[in-house]
Amino acid sequence: GAGVSQSPSNKVTEKGKDVELRCDPISGHTALYWYRQRLGQGLEFLIYFQGNSAPDKSGLPSDRFSAERTGESVSTLTIQRTQQEDSAVYLCASSTQSTTGANVLTFGAGSRLTVL
Amino acid sequence: SQQGEEDPQALSIQEGENATMNCSYKTSINNLQWYRQNSGRGLVHLILIRSNEREKHSGRLRVTLDTSKKSSSLLITASRAADTASYFCAAPSGGGYNKLIFGAGTRLAVHP
Repeated sequence: GAGVSQSPSNKVTEKGKDVELRCDPISGHTALYWYRQRLGQGLEFLIYFQGNSAPDKSGLPSDRFSAERTGESVSTLTIQRTQQEDSAVYLCASSTQSTTGANVLTFGAGSRLTVL
Repeated sequence: SQQGEEDPQALSIQEGENATMNCSYKTSINNLQWYRQNSGRGLVHLILIRSNEREKHSGRLRVTLDTSKKSSSLLITASRAADTASYFCAAPSGGGYNKLIFGAGTRLAVHP
């Protein structure tokens, strides 16, 4: 597609339920990132995929969070047993793998998660 | 942990004035980027400056980089109400410089 697509755009769930957020990157972009942004805050790095390499999961806040990506296509971020502090906008971004070590990110519009 | 940290956290100016935002980072980098965010959703890339560059211009934007002080600044000249947004610096972290870490951002309000 022309841009990074995220779904759902808004999700309201009850505490304790599992949620799945989807990201469809720009075709040909080998790198994919997930960030979390709480209201009025900056972006918190969650996870980074690069091609078929092992993902960098160093930003995942707990074992309730996981993400998958098949090849260079769609990625799914899963949050199990959601808590109220998980309420945030989850942003996905993709980029080409720069040969000069400077990845410029294209962001999706985000998925706003509200946990009641 | 944050690689980039901006100041001020918030900035309020009148149209036509210049706006300056600063960013400091912790580890060595090969580039630093600035992004803009409207309405708390997706970010848009503004400008990238490489570690061997000291200054870069793009339209009304001017970015400087001082690697000795591990700091960067973004200057928006002749600001407009449409420049109202949050501005974030992002610096790479980790081996390969591919993981971008963002600061907390500067919220800019430009009043007509």
